[in-house]
Amino acid sequence: EAGVAQSPRYKIIEKRQSVAFWCNPISGHATLYWYQQILGQGPKLLIQFQNNGVVDDSQLPKDRFSAERLKGVDSTLKIQPAKLEDSAVYLCASSLNPRRGQETQYFGPGTRLLVL
Amino acid sequence: AQKVTQAQTEISVVEKEDVTLDCVYETRDTTYYLFWYKQPPSGELVFLIRRNSFDEQNEISGRYSWNFQKSTSSFNFTITASQVVDSAVYFCALRAGSSGSARQLTFGSGTQLTVLP
Repeated sequence: EAGVAQSPRYKIIEKRQSVAFWCNPISGHATLYWYQQILGQGPKLLIQFQNNGVVDDSQLPKDRFSAERLKGVDSTLKIQPAKLEDSAVYLCASSLNPRRGQETQYFGPGTRLLVL
Repeated sequence: AQKVTQAQTEISVVEKEDVTLDCVYETRDTTYYLFWYKQPPSGELVFLIRRNSFDEQNEISGRYSWNFQKSTSSFNFTITASQVVDSAVYFCALRAGSSGSARQLTFGSGTQLTVLP
């Protein structure tokens, strides 16, 4: 079974530029998550989707970050405009259905973003 | 609010030594899940184990074992006869609550384990 796929793996941009990350979850997984992991810290949830609806985006900086999961499968996370403090690894994860007790999240390889 | 504390920032051991990684959690919910993930240098978080709050039975999987104690709100992870390939950052995480943001997966800050040959 294929795992969570993410692209690109690495991205270097200058501040004030825009960037987008893509994630394809494990097939059949209803729930998709985007996390931000700053160096030396644990991942922090940015947004959670259940199918194509947003469940939790309370920690998403909505003035510059946006995410969508239009067809309930793959998802895109965008930053516009980027700031230096956005340099981090952006992790995508998916789970089968936490509402049914299927809680375990499986993570992709992440996208390492460096903002100069 | 929920919180996970991994007090050990870095641990170094020599190969074949046993090592225990500590995890202390805080939650007011009676139903919750605890997880351990491994993050090797490649960056991907690898799922190791999940326990729910109603199951305090300790678990052993090969060289890995987990000690869940609700009385002390701890979920410690032991690697027996450590190997160089065990070198990674290990994260403990908690998911609690019945709705809303309380169901977020909250991670500790991680423990960097280095196993020396």
